[in-house]
Order: sequence, then C-alpha cells, then structure tokens
Amino acid sequence: GAVVSQHPSWVICKSGTSVKIECRSLDFQATTMFWYRQFPKQSLMLMATSNEGSKATYEQGVEKDKFLINHASLTLSTLTVTSAHPEDSSFYICSAREAVRVNTEAFFGQGTRLTVV
Amino acid sequence: GEDVEQSLFLSVREGDSSVINCTYTDSSSTYLYWYKQEPGAGLQLLTYIFSNMDMKQDQRLTVLLNKKDKHLSLRIADTQTGDSAIYFCAETLLGNNDMRFGAGTRLTVKP
Repeated sequence: GAVVSQHPSWVICKSGTSVKIECRSLDFQATTMFWYRQFPKQSLMLMATSNEGSKATYEQGVEKDKFLINHASLTLSTLTVTSAHPEDSSFYICSAREAVRVNTEAFFGQGTRLTVV
Repeated sequence: GEDVEQSLFLSVREGDSSVINCTYTDSSSTYLYWYKQEPGAGLQLLTYIFSNMDMKQDQRLTVLLNKKDKHLSLRIADTQTGDSAIYFCAETLLGNNDMRFGAGTRLTVKP
C-alpha cells in the first residue's frame, strides 16, 4: 500500500514556541491531505483539509491562525502549531488520498505526539 | 452526537471471535472502513467495503454491511493478543473527500 510519512513522531516544546509537523506521501501524489487531532481516549477530529496549491479549509472551531497549514507540493503538507500552549498537547495525524482516487482509502501517517510544557 | 457510533469497549478471550459493531446515519455513505490503532501509533487500514456490498472477507476479518439498518460490523476470527487495539469505523460520503470516524472500540484480548 501507499506510504505516508509523518515527522516528527514526537516533539516536546516550550509554551509560546512554534512547532512544525510534516506529512509526506512517499510513493504517490496527494492532491488532498487531511489533518486530524486526537485527544486521549477519543476519536479523531478533522481539523482541516489541505489542497495542493490553495488555502486549507478549516473545520468549525479550529483557529486557522494558530494551526497554519501549507500544502506546497503534491507530496508534502505541513502543520505549524504557532505559539503553542499546554492545551495544544495532543496526537496529530495526517492522511492523504491519491490524486486520481477519491472516495477510496486514505493513507495515514504514524502520527505526531506533541507535548507543550 | 457522533454521526458514526461504536461501543467503546470489548473484551474477549484469546481464540474466540470478536465482533465490533458500528452504526452510521448518512445513507449517502460510499465507502466504509475499519482502521486499527495500536498504542501511540497512527491508523492502519484493515479493510474497507463499498456501500453496494453486503460482505467482504479477508483472512480472519469479515465485514458485514446492512445498508438498510446502516449497520457495519467487523468480525475477527481466532482473536489473538496482538489484536488488542482500538478499532475505528469510518465513512466517506458521496461527493465529499474527508472521512468521519466513530469514537473507536477498545478491544482487549485476554489470554
């Protein structure tokens, strides 16, 4: 199956700093990537949908100025958590769909555990 | 509430079959999925079924879809301790590109 690589796997940062998480599709082109957040013992919450070459579409309640998403190429999307606070500590997961296949499986990255201290 | 609902916990003995259930509310669902999440890890696609199918079998996994009742189930035969994980069902809708997830069912397999 297709591979989505997410980096880093875990990161600890100080409150007030910014953290960038990368999501790469290694062997396919992904016009659309999704960013999810998972709180402990809860399901995945879609944060935003990222389309290559255009602005991301954020879900209601997600601050776009805080969670900056860039999808500059067909194989890379980044999520930057700006001015991180302890309440931003969570597990962030990206997923990607192949450019020519919609409504089929999405491939997930391994996730990034962010801890803000 | 959730558009996709699952029971939160399931406990079985090693060697038994596990059945994880899921209900969804949107009749325009096109694909339905089962993902497995091990502790601290991302999601691993186990299997998926197109909405015009009733059943799909893949080795120890059997997916049953009752579109009339909007009910999806995942049966794991001969459950092993390595099957202990959280299982998420998810759907995509006609015309949409994102996925909706259930809350996940934590499967515990006892020796």
